[in-house]
Amino acid sequence: DIQMTQSPSSLSASVGDRVTITCRASQGIRNDLGWYQQKPGKAPKRLIYAASSLQSGVPSRFSGSGSGTEFTLTISSLQPEDFATYYCLQHNSYSWTFGQGTKVEIK
Amino acid sequence: QVQLVESGGGVVQPGRSLRLSCAASGFTFSSYGMHWVRQAPGKGLEWVAVIWYDGSNKYYADSVKGRFTISRDNSKNTLYLQMNSLRAEDTAVYYCARESHRIVGATMSRWFDPWGQGTLVTVSS
Repeated sequence: DIQMTQSPSSLSASVGDRVTITCRASQGIRNDLGWYQQKPGKAPKRLIYAASSLQSGVPSRFSGSGSGTEFTLTISSLQPEDFATYYCLQHNSYSWTFGQGTKVEIK
Repeated sequence: QVQLVESGGGVVQPGRSLRLSCAASGFTFSSYGMHWVRQAPGKGLEWVAVIWYDGSNKYYADSVKGRFTISRDNSKNTLYLQMNSLRAEDTAVYYCARESHRIVGATMSRWFDPWGQGTLVTVSS
């Protein structure tokens, strides 16, 4: 099975900061990766698909990049509503695996 | 609007069974693959199972293979998860999610949207 290693597990940042989260796959997954945001007590919300395509309605400060085994989610200027936990999800070869999550907290 | 509503969660003893349901509305249920995802208290998300739009294919996480069965009734717009031989480590909020997809370049990209609100399963004696 494909394993996803997400880092960091948590980070503290201020409003306006640029934030970067990374996911590494245990084997190549082309661009079969998406990013999700989850707030406490809520279901996850889709942000990015195909590694770098922004989902409809998602602010342009969110962006994704990468292919193969290394992927990045970037928030260009952190807003108060962005404090949440972020997960990558790979969907290669009829298996789906989430990263461990990155909790973005207020500094 | 597009909506998924889970039900069937509760407290169950180890070794017993439970069936979760996910009622879909606002879209053509029979055209979409469907997934179950779970989240243990204070932990991350774990993919559990998927079923093709017509029920022809099903895949499971290793942690539930042989114990859980995903199924669907397209005439009732409902997804199910039959959970047998439950263990304490199965305690989690269980979400159902619709799989959407799009061709991007030469590949099919997939994502989960929408998700249900989740139903809590607690396995405890």
